Amino acid sequence: QKEVEQDPGPLSVPEGAIVSLNCTYSNSAFQYFMWYRQYSRKGPELLMYTYSSGNKEDGRFTAQVDKSSKYISLFIRDSQPSDSATYLCAMSPNTNTGNQFYFGTGTSLTVIP
Amino acid sequence: NAGVTQTPKFQVLKTGQSMTLQCAQDMNHEYMSWYRQDPGMGLRLIHYSVGAGITDQGEVPNGYNVSRSTTEDFPLRLLSAAPSQTSVYFCASSYGRNYEQYFGPGTRLTVT
Repeated sequence: QKEVEQDPGPLSVPEGAIVSLNCTYSNSAFQYFMWYRQYSRKGPELLMYTYSSGNKEDGRFTAQVDKSSKYISLFIRDSQPSDSATYLCAMSPNTNTGNQFYFGTGTSLTVIP
Repeated sequence: NAGVTQTPKFQVLKTGQSMTLQCAQDMNHEYMSWYRQDPGMGLRLIHYSVGAGITDQGEVPNGYNVSRSTTEDFPLRLLSAAPSQTSVYFCASSYGRNYEQYFGPGTRLTVT
């Protein structure tokens, strides 16, 4: 079983829709959670960074972490065609050695005008 | 700040050739990493460094070498290129452990 599971999609929504992207994980040591956006043929761009459980909001984006369920989500409100990209979740354990980050395989999102 | 820069953007190698992918950051980050990204496999960690002079292996280190002589630079060397190393390579840096990572634009490598 992979450390981080993410539905690859593809996901296609109309402009203005609310988008929900999700990842599950198995390692209870994960404490730091990130969402990246990756446009085609570009490097991943950091969108959200959260520590432990709870919600974090930044403009149209909300990140949610539920550590009891080992489940994280990214919500995009009022989705725009410019949101069309692949979204990667990433997680980091609170340890001082070993691998630093674990990534999901990404969900491809298309927002249709 | 230029952030994380990578050169070259594209490269084609023949099997058996060697080359170095360059990575530099100007954010004074201690942590630097190299990943490869393949369809359906996500980002896989090749090597990482927690500071100048210190490197360690990631998930898929075979066929690659790294060194970290300065805080700014973290080159990745392919010793004898193989078609299985055809991929997109990303360099990333972070301020420290448990801080967010910032990625470079990537190098697209094809080995024939």
